Amino acid sequence: DAGVIQSPRHEVTEMGQEVTLRCKPISGHDYLFWYRQTMMRGLELLIYFNNNVPIDDSGMPEDRFSAKMPNASFSTLKIQPSEPRDSAVYFCASVKRGEAFFGQGTRLTVV
Amino acid sequence: GENVEQHPSTLSVQEGDSAVIKCTYSDSASNYFPWYKQELGKRPQLIIDIRSNVGEKKDQRIAVTLNKTAKHFSLHITETQPEDSAVYFCAVSLGGGFKTIFGAGTRLFVKA
Repeated sequence: DAGVIQSPRHEVTEMGQEVTLRCKPISGHDYLFWYRQTMMRGLELLIYFNNNVPIDDSGMPEDRFSAKMPNASFSTLKIQPSEPRDSAVYFCASVKRGEAFFGQGTRLTVV
Repeated sequence: GENVEQHPSTLSVQEGDSAVIKCTYSDSASNYFPWYKQELGKRPQLIIDIRSNVGEKKDQRIAVTLNKTAKHFSLHITETQPEDSAVYFCAVSLGGGFKTIFGAGTRLFVKA
């Protein structure tokens, strides 16, 4: 298995643009988490899914953020419109029996 | 909801010394306590974990201890080496993948 795959690895966009981050979890893992990492706030849980169903989105900072998981092998995190304070590394992690397997992350820069 | 506090935020030790990182949590129903290591520019990766029915677990130079009564757990690294330099995160979850919450991280520097 190739592990958790995220794309793109790097994204630079202008303020106000829509940004879509993608994640392919490990097959057979029934939980998927989206985290945001910054120096100031560490690893923040944004949302997580169980069997493709969103369970807890209380960490999503604003309505500008949305996430979907249309099937067991794909999830997206969308920011519309993006703002400079959204700049961070976004990690997707698939989880089995509690252990989180992280993707390589997407480094988002909003200018 | 669950709250996880991690201390210290930064730790500097001499090569060969021991390092200890501590975490406390609030939800007594939490039953899975993993530790992750994140090297510069890389993803967090699991290094050791403990479940609530065990008080201590060792894997070579690293060990984790759990005190359920006091709701705290610790990571111990002995005989530290420069390659141990990284950010270490504790985490807490109800197990089975439920809502894993991370501590703020400890940046460990091991000086040669």
